[in-house]
Amino acid sequence: DGGITQSPKYLFRKEGQNVTLSCEQNLNHDAMYWYRQDPGQGLRLIYYSQIVNDFQKGDIAEGYSVSREKKESFPLTVTSAQKNPTAFYLCASSWGAGGEKLFFGSGTQLSVL
Amino acid sequence: DQQVKQNSPSLSVQEGRISILNCDYTNSMFDYFLWYKKYPAEGPTFLISISSIKDKNEDGRFTVFLNKSAKHLSLHIVPSQPGDSAVYFCAASGGNSGGSNYKLTFGKGTLLTVNP
Repeated sequence: DGGITQSPKYLFRKEGQNVTLSCEQNLNHDAMYWYRQDPGQGLRLIYYSQIVNDFQKGDIAEGYSVSREKKESFPLTVTSAQKNPTAFYLCASSWGAGGEKLFFGSGTQLSVL
Repeated sequence: DQQVKQNSPSLSVQEGRISILNCDYTNSMFDYFLWYKKYPAEGPTFLISISSIKDKNEDGRFTVFLNKSAKHLSLHIVPSQPGDSAVYFCAASGGNSGGSNYKLTFGKGTLLTVNP
């Protein structure tokens, strides 16, 4: 089955710790994205990547980092510089980067201990 | 600066009746609009979209209407079913300003509850 797999489903972070959220897709999509959802808020774009070895900051990139070494994978690291990391994180992919239909993973809930 | 606005946080309708979810936008460069449906603790799933060259798009029980002059779109679900209960996000993309046509801008969502 083709799709996007995010892991883990739940993640806890201690103060000062970096954590990495995994996102893998087997849809052969070129573009991948990371969004953050807070309660009562819409989805806000953290980072996106149109092709391998290239990525761009979204609207709220501070405190986050990404890599795109393989077409299938787009991990997100939440660094200790992100002071309010508790949120629901969503990874998505699309054929191109023209703002067309996105396919989303099932999300990772990150909480701070 | 919220470019996509869903002013109703929640909506409750009876099963079998019509659900109308509204969305307003401010960026006149947007030329493609989408609706996503989201259940708790899951990722959003694509529902229906419309290009700015159209004013209506229909897919089964779901119809999206676009009024470009008013910068307004709406999603109609008829008849509504209990399984439609979810959060609905409106999203928009388009324009070449700053390369912004690459991404979607989402509204805050509307929680639809369909009562049996």
